Amino acid sequence: DAGVTQSPTHLIKTRGQQVTLRCSPISGHKSVSWYQQVLGQGPQFIFQYYEKEERGRGNFPDRFSARQFPNYSSELNVNALLLGDSALYLCASSLGLGGGGETQYFGPGTRLLVL
Amino acid sequence: DAKTTQPTSMDCAEGRAANLPCNHSTISGNEYVYWYRQIHSQGPQYIIHGLKNNETNEMASLIITEDRKSSTLILPHATLRDTAVYYCIVRVASLTNAGGTSYGKLTFGQGTILTVHP
Repeated sequence: DAGVTQSPTHLIKTRGQQVTLRCSPISGHKSVSWYQQVLGQGPQFIFQYYEKEERGRGNFPDRFSARQFPNYSSELNVNALLLGDSALYLCASSLGLGGGGETQYFGPGTRLLVL
Repeated sequence: DAKTTQPTSMDCAEGRAANLPCNHSTISGNEYVYWYRQIHSQGPQYIIHGLKNNETNEMASLIITEDRKSSTLILPHATLRDTAVYYCIVRVASLTNAGGTSYGKLTFGQGTILTVHP
């Protein structure tokens, strides 16, 4: 079975540009969460989407936005890129909205470098 | 979600058991303990989770103390490929938690860097 997939794998942008990252969840999973991981730190929660609605947001500026499509895939958009946005962006999926007993499975991530 | 405390780093000899401790003294009764690991620059990999009872799967065993304030992840026969950062996370179990909590949210700390030596 295919796991969580993300595209692209690597991306280089310049300051001020906009970027769109894509995620396809495991088949049958309806929830997608996004995380940012800067070098040397653990992943930080950005968003959760379930059934196309935002169900949670972390402490990130409005430059970060996301959406979920009817097929449960998701896009993360970041506007007006800053050098500090350089990070590994991770997508995770789970069956439902969840609670502690529902496992999240992560994709391989998209490595974004902002110059 | 409750905070966790893990040692910064640990070493283990190949073929030996690796025992990774985690302190979660403020855990609530409805919070699960989850373990993930992350090999360099890859996405976190789910290992195991539990609520009250000890758990075992093909990758590892999870031992939770009776008061639930700490747990230990056990890799029974560590290999070089087990070298990774191991994260212990506690996560709410109930959907009745109010206040806009995102149940999808996993709160990662710094984790434990496990190095397995030949």
